[in-house]
Amino acid sequence: AAGVIQSPRHLIKEKRETATLKCYPIPRHDTVYWYQQGPGQDPQFLISFYEKMQSDKGSIPDRFSAQQFSDYHSELNMSSLELGDSALYFCASSSKAPGLAGVGSYEQYFGPGTRLTVT
Amino acid sequence: RKEVEQDPGPFNVPEGATVAFNCTYSNSASQSFFWYRQDCRKEPKLLMSVYSSGNEDGRFTAQLNRASQYISLLIRDSKLSDSATYLCVAARRGYQKVTFGTGTKLQVIP
Repeated sequence: AAGVIQSPRHLIKEKRETATLKCYPIPRHDTVYWYQQGPGQDPQFLISFYEKMQSDKGSIPDRFSAQQFSDYHSELNMSSLELGDSALYFCASSSKAPGLAGVGSYEQYFGPGTRLTVT
Repeated sequence: RKEVEQDPGPFNVPEGATVAFNCTYSNSASQSFFWYRQDCRKEPKLLMSVYSSGNEDGRFTAQLNRASQYISLLIRDSKLSDSATYLCVAARRGYQKVTFGTGTKLQVIP
């Protein structure tokens, strides 16, 4: 079965540079989420999109922005990179189709992540 | 206080043992709950959703107690391959944001 695709898998940038991470959700999934996971930490929610509109916002710095395109893929743009931005960035996707419980399913399926290193 | 809390462990258990993890959530608006497992430096993988009536999938059983606002995961007959970090997740109905717990590390020992 098709999974969430993220690119690139690894990225090395210098301080103050910019980076763009890409996410291709599972086909027919309409919601995309971005997470940041630092070493030894749990995934921190950054932002989500539903049907190409921002649906929720978490702890995303103002230096970061994201969008979801007409083909449902999403990009996370990171500017003025800082050393503290070094982390694993995960994208996840979900579908709002009803689940077994008869309510909207928010089961999220994660991509393999992009490891960003800022030097 | 974090919105979703877990005992970080580590839980070191012998093969074949039964182990249980608990997770508490503070936001009473949380409606959907999940358990994920995460191997080192890999993405979280959905283990199971947690339903009000409780659910079982092979050696794994999940329970939800809304009154006490906690979720549990029981693993029977532990295998070496069960060694991972288990993340508890709570989601609010009508929103797409979910909150992860800090994870509980399990190490199954031969």
